[in-house]
Amino acid sequence: EVQLVESGGGLVQPGGSLRLSCAASGFTFSSNWMSWVRQAPGKGLEWVANIKQDGSEKYYVDSVKGRFTISRDNAKNSLYLQMNSLRAEDTAVYYCARDPLRFYYMDVWGKGTTVTVSS
Amino acid sequence: QSVLTQPPSVSGAPGQRVTISCTGSSSNIGAGYDVHWYQQPPGTAPKLLIYGNSNRPSGVPDRFSGSKSGTSASLAITGLQAEDEADYYCQSYDSSLSGSVFGGGTKLTVL
Repeated sequence: EVQLVESGGGLVQPGGSLRLSCAASGFTFSSNWMSWVRQAPGKGLEWVANIKQDGSEKYYVDSVKGRFTISRDNAKNSLYLQMNSLRAEDTAVYYCARDPLRFYYMDVWGKGTTVTVSS
Repeated sequence: QSVLTQPPSVSGAPGQRVTISCTGSSSNIGAGYDVHWYQQPPGTAPKLLIYGNSNRPSGVPDRFSGSKSGTSASLAITGLQAEDEADYYCQSYDSSLSGSVFGGGTKLTVL
């Protein structure tokens, strides 16, 4: 079964850091671009970042550039999102998604992990 | 303010047909980039519903269809069922922003 499982969310103070993980199974992880998408409480979806199969290309939405870093470990079938200098507006459910054709559709989604930035 | 504009809500009775619009600009839909649609029932993760403007992934009923023209796209749902009640999002690529963009979402209520 094709599956993505996120972890690492939690409550963090403004200015703090958090590292999200996404474990992939059921497909060839190393052959796919991967993305992070977030959804603030009661709001719509926002694409956050994506990464090429070998990690050599990475793209970010402007609001997280310089604060968030996307990475992957193909040997562990895992995707990561390192989030630094967190702000209240980063509070959201963060989804990991398979992005098979780069900036095209996202065809497999995890259930999400919740990040809350609050003092 | 989302880059792609959708109506906040639509509704219809069981069996009826509804459409959801997605309006973009010359840097996304109007530039020729394809549109994709996602369905998100309450409390669940998004699910790919339509890709490449009008293609359905395996398992998606043919009651769902998509189209694109100019700077806009539409999702049509025929034979409305209670289980169709969900939020629906369009998505495309924006060359000015160099990233994927979503519509603000449309809440479908089945009366």
